[in-house]
Amino acid sequence: DADVTQTPRNRITKTGKRIMLECSQTKGHDRMYWYRQDPGLGLRLIYYSFDVKDINKGEISDGYSVSRQAQAKFSLSLESAIPNQTALYFCATSGASGGARADTQYFGPGTRLTVL
Amino acid sequence: QKEVEQDPGPLSVPEGAIVSLNCTYSNSAFQYFMWYRQYSRKGPELLMYTYSSGNKEDGRFTAQVDKSSKYISLFIRDSQPSDSATYLCAMSEGGYQKVTFGTGTKLQVIP
Repeated sequence: DADVTQTPRNRITKTGKRIMLECSQTKGHDRMYWYRQDPGLGLRLIYYSFDVKDINKGEISDGYSVSRQAQAKFSLSLESAIPNQTALYFCATSGASGGARADTQYFGPGTRLTVL
Repeated sequence: QKEVEQDPGPLSVPEGAIVSLNCTYSNSAFQYFMWYRQYSRKGPELLMYTYSSGNKEDGRFTAQVDKSSKYISLFIRDSQPSDSATYLCAMSEGGYQKVTFGTGTKLQVIP
């Protein structure tokens, strides 16, 4: 089984709808991240969490919110989706466990979100 | 100016060619340098990890860091069609600072 899973893998929604993207990990890492990827803009950090009680905004947090329900679960919400939030969304984890370096990030397979 | 600059490509080479992928950066505090490979419809996966200046080799892949020029490279020898992917450079200051990614270079290796 994959270490970092994301659901759904694909989602088409309409402007104004609330959307939640979910991420789960079995790597035992304490840090989790949400990125969006757009052509020509690369990966941009939306939110990150260093543990269950620690949530931080990234460079493009406006229009998004997150919830860290447990060490292994980190969800991203779009309260009122708009077309320019159409993108590929990735969850990632990192943590100094199992020989991994703390800044090495492990990515999920991504969620392709389209907002009409 | 972006903190990390990477030529988006696409780069198309014949099988067996030597490929050179490059990034430049402006933040002199970066100490840890990474290359990620991203296949189509997949998440990025770590390919190489280096600290400070110098070279690191892993099979057909060599990562090179020149901190004085703020320039990093990834070389792929004897390129294979399976190397066709987007390659992203990434770097951090260490000490649990965030990782900054390049925009990625799309590589196609033609059989």
